[in-house]
Amino acid sequence: AQKITQTQPGMFVQEKEAVTLDCTYDTSDPSYGLFWYKQPSSGEMIFLIYQGSYDQQNATEGRYSLNFQKARKSANLVISASQLGDSAMYFCAMREGLPSSGGYQKVTFGTGTKLQVIP
Amino acid sequence: DARVTQTPRHKVTEMGQEVTMRCQPILGHNTVFWYRQTMMQGLELLAYFRNRAPLDDSGMPKDRFSAEMPDATLATLKIQPSEPRDSAVYFCASGTHRDQAKNIQYFGAGTRLSVL
Repeated sequence: AQKITQTQPGMFVQEKEAVTLDCTYDTSDPSYGLFWYKQPSSGEMIFLIYQGSYDQQNATEGRYSLNFQKARKSANLVISASQLGDSAMYFCAMREGLPSSGGYQKVTFGTGTKLQVIP
Repeated sequence: DARVTQTPRHKVTEMGQEVTMRCQPILGHNTVFWYRQTMMQGLELLAYFRNRAPLDDSGMPKDRFSAEMPDATLATLKIQPSEPRDSAVYFCASGTHRDQAKNIQYFGAGTRLSVL
């Protein structure tokens, strides 16, 4: 079974509008972390936002917010006031287990959603 | 603006040749990751190092791939011999103790490898 599912291969949004990119996840571990990364055409993966499974509030970073619905196992990314520079691939990812004092843990990535912002 | 630097950005080679990809992590970062990205498989973790020691290379085909960190400023990924199925974009990422709790990784721009 896929651990991270992104069902939208591509999305279009009008400039200045808000857009939601879907992500569902599958884990039996009560402790996990969810991430969103942006990959513009230049290729570099850019960290956007993080949500821990025990965080009480939805994470926000500027125009990015993560709509975390634990019971539904969804972690949708909301981009408000879209800009042309938001056109990129967006990847949802998950770390399972508690953050380790011994180091990083393996992160599983989804297949991505290509967002295109229309002027 | 600190960045992870990968070289070369593009590499075209013939089947059977050795390929070496290099990564310079962000100064002070003690954890380095190698990923491979393809259309079919998406982003896959190949290996990762902490303080230059390999912690997990279970995602890497051992017979032809090898990853090393000769020093704290250089990580290498070698493929010998290369095969057409190795064609992909290879990413290096790095991280620190400070970002460890959230597993935040900083990625380079990748090496696009084409094996003919």
